[in-house]
Amino acid sequence: NAGVMQNPRHLVRRRGQEARLRCSPMKGHSHVYWYRQLPEEGLKFMVYLQKENIIDESGMPKERFSAEFPKEGPSILRIQQVVRGDSAAYFCASSPSNGLAGVDGELFFGEGSRLTVL
Amino acid sequence: RKEVEQDPGPFNVPEGATVAFNCTYSNSASQSFFWYRQDCRKEPKLLMSVYSSGNEDGRFTAQLNRASQYISLLIRDSKLSDSATYLCVVNMRGSNYKLTFGKGTLLTVNP
Repeated sequence: NAGVMQNPRHLVRRRGQEARLRCSPMKGHSHVYWYRQLPEEGLKFMVYLQKENIIDESGMPKERFSAEFPKEGPSILRIQQVVRGDSAAYFCASSPSNGLAGVDGELFFGEGSRLTVL
Repeated sequence: RKEVEQDPGPFNVPEGATVAFNCTYSNSASQSFFWYRQDCRKEPKLLMSVYSSGNEDGRFTAQLNRASQYISLLIRDSKLSDSATYLCVVNMRGSNYKLTFGKGTLLTVNP
């Protein structure tokens, strides 16, 4: 029973390039959440998606960031024209229904994608 | 004031010690409370939920004081494997998926 799968685990980009981070939710989960952890900071909610729908993107920066969760395939977090401040760990989590999965508020996180912008 | 504030740490303790982590939250509308654990360069994992009546899971005890907006985690008889960053997490009524994380407190248990 594979967990949340994220790739790439590590990504290095130069300023101005694009970064694409992928997330495959746990089997049977149809809700995906992206969180960002800046160095020395707590995780911050970015976006909540269901298949083909963005439910809540209130935590997404207004420019350069976008997310999708197509009918087929993984969820993708896309960052255009990356800047050094985008360097962070990006975590994806999934749940089988609206809200939190499992026992009392457990979100199942992937191992994260660590983006370094040179 | 930050939404969730934790002891800055780091904590270095010997095996067998008892260690306590404190956390305060600013939004009185916070509904649910959790402690997550994050190992170095790994994903956060739920350690335990925190209930108003207090709850215990083996060597771990969590307490919640809604009046003071304060959460605690006590680890007894600490093991080397307890070394990790402990994250205080809350969420608000009506937004189950939007967890608010503290910065975490690093614990190192030494032999």
